[in-house]
Amino acid sequence: DVKVTQSSRYLVKRTGEKVFLECVQDMDHENMFWYRQDPGLGLRLIYFSYDVKMKEKGDIPEGYSVSREKKERFSLILESASTNQTSMYLCASHIPSTNTQYFGPGTRLTVL
Amino acid sequence: AQTVTQSQPEMSVQEAETVTLSCTYDTSESDYYLFWYKQPPSRQMILVIRQEAYKQQNATENRFSVNFQKAAKSFSLKISDSQLGDAAMYFCAYRSPTSGTYKYIFGTGTRLKVLA
Repeated sequence: DVKVTQSSRYLVKRTGEKVFLECVQDMDHENMFWYRQDPGLGLRLIYFSYDVKMKEKGDIPEGYSVSREKKERFSLILESASTNQTSMYLCASHIPSTNTQYFGPGTRLTVL
Repeated sequence: AQTVTQSQPEMSVQEAETVTLSCTYDTSESDYYLFWYKQPPSRQMILVIRQEAYKQQNATENRFSVNFQKAAKSFSLKISDSQLGDAAMYFCAYRSPTSGTYKYIFGTGTRLKVLA
């Protein structure tokens, strides 16, 4: 069974803090994604990675960066957290053979 | 650019009844993939059903089926014999096979309530 895990379910940070959200998948997938989910806006793609050290901007990359040093781990970084980054963050990995994205449980981030 | 529209923010259905969730999309491509994902409250998002655009036959998965109208760019999800466990946010999604990066475009979601 495919497993995508995220480091925290809930996180509370202060404005200006550097925040790390981690995602790990256990199936050697090449493609991994970070989404932000907000009510009424659906899922919006922040960044994705198609291999180690390879990344591309999604639709809303401003204020975020990512790191992929190992295939199984894809990290989302908020360099200086702001209140408008309060949201649910979802990580996903894609399996080409089944044409399916598998999602992690999500991290609900609150920035005070 | 492709877009996905879910015009029903919220729907309700009586237990054991049938409900249809709507999804329309816009694309100039002839081949693509469409998906319905389910996100139960406080639980992980999971794939419900997928459809390849080149297939004329509508996909079905147990109580879940789609009505894929390619010319109308419509992809609705029908849930038969609704159960309490079907209560969730449902997201319609589009993926282009030509992008090479497996990017998905999601709709804004429909919250389904199942009434006992």
